[in-house]
Amino acid sequence: DAEITQSPRHKITETGRQVTLACHQTWNHNNMFWYRQDLGHGLRLIHYSYGVQDTNKGEVSDGYSVSRSNTEDLPLTLESAASSQTSVYFCASSEWGLAVNEQFFGPGTRLTVL
Amino acid sequence: EDQVTQSPEALRLQEGESSSLNCSYTVSGLRGLFWYRQDPGKGPEFLFTLYSAGEEKEKERLKATLTKKESFLHITAPKPEDSATYLCAVFSGGYNKLIFGAGTRLAVHP
Repeated sequence: DAEITQSPRHKITETGRQVTLACHQTWNHNNMFWYRQDLGHGLRLIHYSYGVQDTNKGEVSDGYSVSRSNTEDLPLTLESAASSQTSVYFCASSEWGLAVNEQFFGPGTRLTVL
Repeated sequence: EDQVTQSPEALRLQEGESSSLNCSYTVSGLRGLFWYRQDPGKGPEFLFTLYSAGEEKEKERLKATLTKKESFLHITAPKPEDSATYLCAVFSGGYNKLIFGAGTRLAVHP
């Protein structure tokens, strides 16, 4: 069955370190997204990609970067981790189409920055 | 500014006690409204997509409806396994992105 996976599932790091969260999908979807989920804020969009070599900033992109070198993967990098980036991170993917299609989410990565 | 508001924040029901969750939205150019279910420690699980006012979708004990200003998720005769957080999201044509509400935490007790 097609799926979307994230790794690691849990990560503890220190302020100032570079961290990369992996996202891999086997749906063959063109669209991929990164969100963070915090109490009181719901899910907020960090970055998204509509295809290979395409990346776009979301509403909370400061301090994060992504790159898309193939269809299956969209890694999220925290250049210099800050305590404010402690959160649960979700990757999602959706099929490209004329209508807006539903996004399928991964299991999440819980990141703690000390 | 595009906005999604869900109410109530939390809802406690007895098994079999039907109720509704509300999702109110203000968005420039609605291109779709989505309902998700999220269990603790897991990612959101897709339930429904609604594209136009008057549209309805059903799945087991859940029924989603859409008007020009809000959507309802009706839960008929809920069971304890329906306990979860239910998320509403709208796709804004103006901002070309999915905007999520904060969710409704539903607890169904036997």
